Amino acid sequence: QVQLVQSGAEVKKPGSSVKVSCKASGDTFNIYTISWVRQAPGQGLEWMGGIIPIFGAANYAQKFQGRVTITADESATTAYLELSSLRSEDTAVYYCARDRRGVGATFEYWGQGTLVTVSS
Amino acid sequence: DIQMTQSPSSLSASVGDRVTINCRASKSISTDLNWYQQKPGKAPKLLIYAASSLQSGVPSRFSGSGSGTDFTLTISSLQPEDFATYYCQQSYNTPPWTFGQGTKVEIK
Repeated sequence: QVQLVQSGAEVKKPGSSVKVSCKASGDTFNIYTISWVRQAPGQGLEWMGGIIPIFGAANYAQKFQGRVTITADESATTAYLELSSLRSEDTAVYYCARDRRGVGATFEYWGQGTLVTVSS
Repeated sequence: DIQMTQSPSSLSASVGDRVTINCRASKSISTDLNWYQQKPGKAPKLLIYAASSLQSGVPSRFSGSGSGTDFTLTISSLQPEDFATYYCQQSYNTPPWTFGQGTKVEIK
């Protein structure tokens, strides 16, 4: 059974950075895309970027280019999202999600979400 | 980027009702369209992938149809556990992957 377990809630100051982790278990880690999707309070879902661990290179949504870094540690079966230059609008729940086998960009497995609050 | 527009934004329905949610893409996406259900405080759950394929474990009262730019999610007989927000998402060709704004299904 595939599980994605994320790190805990964070409170950050504007201008700082946050790094959220997503530990995968239950299946081969490095051949499936791990994506990051965020949801601001009361709002919809927004794809931020993704990575295939075996390849290492990440794709990012244009909106976040320059502020977001997605990495993966194959030995730890963990993916990471780092977001810098935080502002209040970045307050959101951040989810990691894994693709369905054989169907790209189809998010079958999800982490429990990590609330990041940006406040002075 | 491909824009996804859902309608309606919200609806009220009773248990047993047939419910239809629409999703329109800003350009043709073939059948590269997924549907998710999200309940408050929970992660989204995949219901339908590739426009019409039912995800394992999802009740058969859920179905999806459409291709090109217009898609539909149908719940044939609404159950109490189906009150939630539903999102469509396109997975066509290359990123960025984009979601509709969501449709909230409420109890009448």
